[in-house]
Amino acid sequence: GESVGLHLPTLSVQEGDNSIINCAYSNSASDYFIWYKQESGKGPQFIIDIRSNMDKRQGQRVTVLLNKTVKHLSLQIAATQPGDSAVYFCAENGGKLIFGQGTELSVKP
Amino acid sequence: DTEVTQTPKHLVMGMTNKKSLKCEQHMGHRAMYWYKQKAKKPPELMFVYSYEKLSINESVPSRFSPECPNSSLLNLHLHALQPEDSALYLCASSHPLDNEQFFGPGTRLTVL
Repeated sequence: GESVGLHLPTLSVQEGDNSIINCAYSNSASDYFIWYKQESGKGPQFIIDIRSNMDKRQGQRVTVLLNKTVKHLSLQIAATQPGDSAVYFCAENGGKLIFGQGTELSVKP
Repeated sequence: DTEVTQTPKHLVMGMTNKKSLKCEQHMGHRAMYWYKQKAKKPPELMFVYSYEKLSINESVPSRFSPECPNSSLLNLHLHALQPEDSALYLCASSHPLDNEQFFGPGTRLTVL
């Protein structure tokens, strides 16, 4: 069946370091992926997306990598800041959004 | 206006009550969504409206009744809920052919 999941439930990094959050998906027909950030008490906020015809996409301080061979997606955050502390969800959109389990990122000052 | 607003922010109700959650957007989006999110879990899709018509119902119990009175508003009517229905209810909107969904802050619902 279809599933989108994350490898780690929690991630703790030092302020200024780079963060890498991983996600595995099982539906090889998926053609669009999104990363969302959810802060406490708020709804999910769009960070970056990538289509299956791409391997890499960069935004401001964030990069998403897609490896279709192993069905793996990652989010890299450069120079992680305290304001990056949140739960990060990957999601697949093949007509409707299916979210992964989420990784809680904590940034130590 | 690039916001999705939801009211109320918090709601506590008994199992015999009838209440409604409201969602509003003025971005011209013609697709609107209801999600349910339990603590420490990802959002789960409940309903999708496209051009004010219900297009997806993810086998949600009938005690949840969605309504889309116009292109800017989305309601979720609640009746005879169970304690396990306590959760954060999120509304989202998008252009029907666009993958990016904009989420509201949610309504935190507690059923006693």
